[in-house]
Parts: sequence; C-alpha cells; structure tokens
Amino acid sequence: DAGVTQSPTHLIKTRGQQVTLRCSPKSGHDTVSWYQQALGQGPQFIFQYYEEEERQRGNFPDRFSGHQFPNYSSELNVNALLLGDSALYLCASSSMPVARVGNEQFFGPGTRLTVL
Amino acid sequence: AQTVTQSQPEMSVQEAETVTLSCTYDTSENNYYLFWYKQPPSRQMILVIRQEAYKQQNATENRFSVNFQKAAKSFSLKISDSQLGDTAMYFCAFMIPLAYSGAGSYQLTFGKGTKLSVIP
Repeated sequence: DAGVTQSPTHLIKTRGQQVTLRCSPKSGHDTVSWYQQALGQGPQFIFQYYEEEERQRGNFPDRFSGHQFPNYSSELNVNALLLGDSALYLCASSSMPVARVGNEQFFGPGTRLTVL
Repeated sequence: AQTVTQSQPEMSVQEAETVTLSCTYDTSENNYYLFWYKQPPSRQMILVIRQEAYKQQNATENRFSVNFQKAAKSFSLKISDSQLGDTAMYFCAFMIPLAYSGAGSYQLTFGKGTKLSVIP
C-alpha cells in the first residue's frame, strides 16, 4: 500500500515565477491538506481539500491556490514567487471524518522549494 | 486562535534513558485532539501518539506515553528506553474538529518543534 507521495522532491525557481506541486493521497483517503514548513519551524496550514473543494484555509495570500481531482490527488500552485516562499511543502491525507479513531493525517515526504 | 508552544528547542538523552518533551497549548475550545509527530532527517512526518481531550486516561504507544493535564493545557511526551532511531524533530500539534460529518473540516496547528538527539 503506497503512502502519500509528492512530486517533485526538490525544485528551484526564481522570484516572480509560478510553481505547481503535486500530491497523491494514501489509498482510501479522500482529504488532502497542504502545509508550509520553513527552515527550523513547525508546519503551517495552507489549506485543505475535500470533495474537490477548498474546505478550510490558513493565513496565506491568494497567491497560494490549489485543486483536487476526482481521484483525490491534489495540486498546490504558488504564483509570483517570493524569496520567503522557500520552504518544505508537506501534503497530508486522511479520510473524513477525522474525528474517528484511526483517521489520522498521513504526511508525504515533502517538496523542497528554493526561490532564488 | 489556537497556539502551541514547545519551550525546548533542543534536547539530548543517553541511549536507554528516559526523556520528556514539553508542550503547552492555548484554546478556548473544550473538544480537541493533541498529537506528537516525529520528523526524522528523512523529512517524513510520522504520528507518534494522539490524545483525545475528552479522555482522562493518558495515551500510551509502546515506549511513548503522554502526560495530559487539561486544566493546565499541558501535553508532554515521555520516551522510555531511548533508541538511536528516536533522534528526530518532535512536533506537538493541536486539532479542533469543526464537525463530525463529511462536510466538516479541520487543521493541525503545530509548535516549533524540539530537536531530540539520542547519544550512544
């Protein structure tokens, strides 16, 4: 059973460019959440997708957008990249409702984005 | 807004010894979940243990146990018989389930982490 997968592993972009990160959830999961983890910090919640809709959003600007596909996979798009967007981007999957025992969030290995 | 505070940026422990990582949180909610996640150098975040706030009994998972003090809003992690593979960043996280139905949503709020080194 494949866990959460993310691509690419590493990415280098320049300021002003746009980037798309991809996530495939663990088998049986229908909910995908995205987190940004700056160096030396804990992950910060960006947004969550369920049933192809953005269900909840953290304190991130509109430059951060996402999409969920019918197969539950998800993309994170960041426009007009800033130096401060350099971070590890983590994807986590789970199944609704999360409150049930066992419905934990499983994390992928992350995509390391470097903005020059 | 919910906040999670981990006051120990770095800790070290001798192999086979016991270590306790601290975590405090702030919320006005009564129903919530607390987690400890481990992030080794490989970057994959792994769930170590979870605690439901409505349960008075402290959660345990093999060598890992928590001391949950709801009134004090404290949630510490104890690692017994520390092993070299326990070397990692440990994050305390907090979650409020906004609904129990499929239309609900939730998010994890993380602390800044504690870097644990197990010394041979």
